[in-house]
This record gives sequence, C-alpha cells and structure tokens, in this order.
Amino acid sequence: ILNVEQSPQSLHVQEGDSTNFTCSFPSSNFYALHWYRWETAKSPEALFVMTLNGDEKKKGRISATLNTKEGYSYLYIKGSQPEDSATYLCAFRRSNDYKLSFGAGTTVTVRA
Amino acid sequence: EPEVTQTPSHQVTQMGQEVILRCVPISNHLYFYWYRQILGQKVEFLVSFYNNEISEKSEIFDDQFSVERPDGSNFTLKIRSTKLEDSAMYFCASSFRTGDNQPQHFGDGTRLSIL
Repeated sequence: ILNVEQSPQSLHVQEGDSTNFTCSFPSSNFYALHWYRWETAKSPEALFVMTLNGDEKKKGRISATLNTKEGYSYLYIKGSQPEDSATYLCAFRRSNDYKLSFGAGTTVTVRA
Repeated sequence: EPEVTQTPSHQVTQMGQEVILRCVPISNHLYFYWYRQILGQKVEFLVSFYNNEISEKSEIFDDQFSVERPDGSNFTLKIRSTKLEDSAMYFCASSFRTGDNQPQHFGDGTRLSIL
C-alpha cells in the first residue's frame, strides 16, 4: 500500500483570500502526481498531471508545484471564490503501475 | 466535452446476489479502470484494462470480481456474490494513453448498497 497523505483534511477560507495545502507521497519510483477537484455528486475533475521535479502548473487561479525528491506537492488557490469549494484529491502513480493511489483529500470551504 | 458515463447511479442489491455496474468510457480512450470508495475511506484502485485484458489489479479484485468490454463502447464490472463490505461508490475511469501526462477521466460513480 502506497502512503499518500494530504494535509489538512479540511479548511475554511474567506472569499478573496488565498490558501494552499499539501500532498505527500513516496519519493522513490515516482512516475506522476495527479490533482483532481471533486464536487459533491459529480465526477472528480482532472486539474493537473505533474511529472517533473520542480514542475509548476497553473489553471486559472489554481496552481500546483512538485518536489519529487522530497515527495510533496502543493496546491494553491489564489483569491478563493465560493465555486472553489470542493474536495481536492491528489493521486500518486508509481513507475510501472497503471493505478493511481489516492490521498484522502482536502475539503475546501470558501465563505462568502 | 466528452465524458465517462456510468449506470445506474444507485444500485441496491441483496447480499449474495450478482451485480453488474456499467460504464461507457470516452470514445477514443484505450485504457479503462475501476476504483471504489468505501464511505469515509480513500478512493482505492480495483483494476485496469487494456487491449481486452486486465493490465493490473489490486488485492481487492479477487475471484468475485470480473471486468468485461462486451462491445466497442461498454466496460462492465461484475461482482458475482456480493458481500456487505462491497457497499461503496464505484468509479469508472478511462484514459487515451497511459503515458506520463495523461489524466484518468472519471465518471460520476455508481453507489452500490448491499443489504
């Protein structure tokens, strides 16, 4: 079982504020790190697939960084809006695997 | 935008009965997956499927489970004799390739309740 951890489990942020949270994963046999955004009663939506150490990816106000040597990734939300409220999942893919190993998610609630 | 569709959205079944969960992956995708999430737990991998055969499976995916791509569009998960602990949300996913920058696209899930 691959240990993928996300912290914090949940957070509340005021509309307009920025926030970030982490995903830690095994640093050996790294292949890719996926981020998903998951709203209740919907399917998880792919945000980023990150593969290279030092990678930074951005989609609108959401961005992510990757450190494969120490085994962590940060997801940032800049100027949070109520529609950013969701659970954000990270998923680690090891070399030679097809499967994704998921963290438990960080649930973000943006207060208006 | 093309999407993965799953039916039914909710399935209630008596323990010991067989159940088939259905998925229509994105049409040009070649790799197919099943995951599940037991309430309160992490999403966990069950099986991946490519070129009409299983490419990887987890220890959860025992002889009670099987997958099939019966035609060019559907991808099914069968549980032969359901147990109470099979109650979970089951997600189908697909990807075009399995290369490093390819996301797996997920359906909305089927909530399976075993009574």
